[in-house]
Amino acid sequence: EVQLVESGGGLVQPGGSLRLSCAASGFTFSSYAMTWVRQAPGKGLEWVSVISGSGGSTNYADSVKGRFTISRDNSKHTLYLQMNSLGADDAAIYYCAKGRSRSGYELGAHWGQGALVTVSS
Amino acid sequence: DIQMTQSPSSLSASVGDRVTITCRASQGISNYLAWFQQKPGKAPKSLIYGASSLQSGVPSKFSGSGSETDFTLTISSLQPEDFATYYCQQYSTYPFTFGPGTKVDIK
Repeated sequence: EVQLVESGGGLVQPGGSLRLSCAASGFTFSSYAMTWVRQAPGKGLEWVSVISGSGGSTNYADSVKGRFTISRDNSKHTLYLQMNSLGADDAAIYYCAKGRSRSGYELGAHWGQGALVTVSS
Repeated sequence: DIQMTQSPSSLSASVGDRVTITCRASQGISNYLAWFQQKPGKAPKSLIYGASSLQSGVPSKFSGSGSETDFTLTISSLQPEDFATYYCQQYSTYPFTFGPGTKVDIK
């Protein structure tokens, strides 16, 4: 059974940093692209970033480019999102999601439960 | 960036109704279009990919169609468990973008 479990969320001051983790199990982690999607309170979904199975290719939303870094450790079956220079607009639930297929970058059926990030002084 | 719009933004429907939601891309995206369902407090659920392919385990009452800039999601007979918010997403060009969502509630 595929499982994705996010951790690392919490309260951070404006301008601060946070690293989210997503522990994966139940599939060949290194074979699939992984994505972060976020949802601000009461708002819609926002695609944040994607990383290829090998980790060699990454892409970001304009809103986080230069501040967030996606990475993965295939030996630990874990996806990361390093978030720096956090602002109020970054407050959201952050979901990690598994790619649908081994060959593409589109989102698949498996999502984590989400990690809440709150930005406040 | 490719902008995604959805219409309507919300709709009220009855159990058994046929419901259609429209999604439009600001430029052609071939069939690189997915649909997601989200219920309050839950992670999104993938329904359709490739504009019309049903995700494994999704009931056949859901169907998708369209290409390039105009897409639709249809629920053939609305059931109580289908009341939710529905999002389209393009994955043709980075950054991948979601539509603003369509909330389907009970009339």
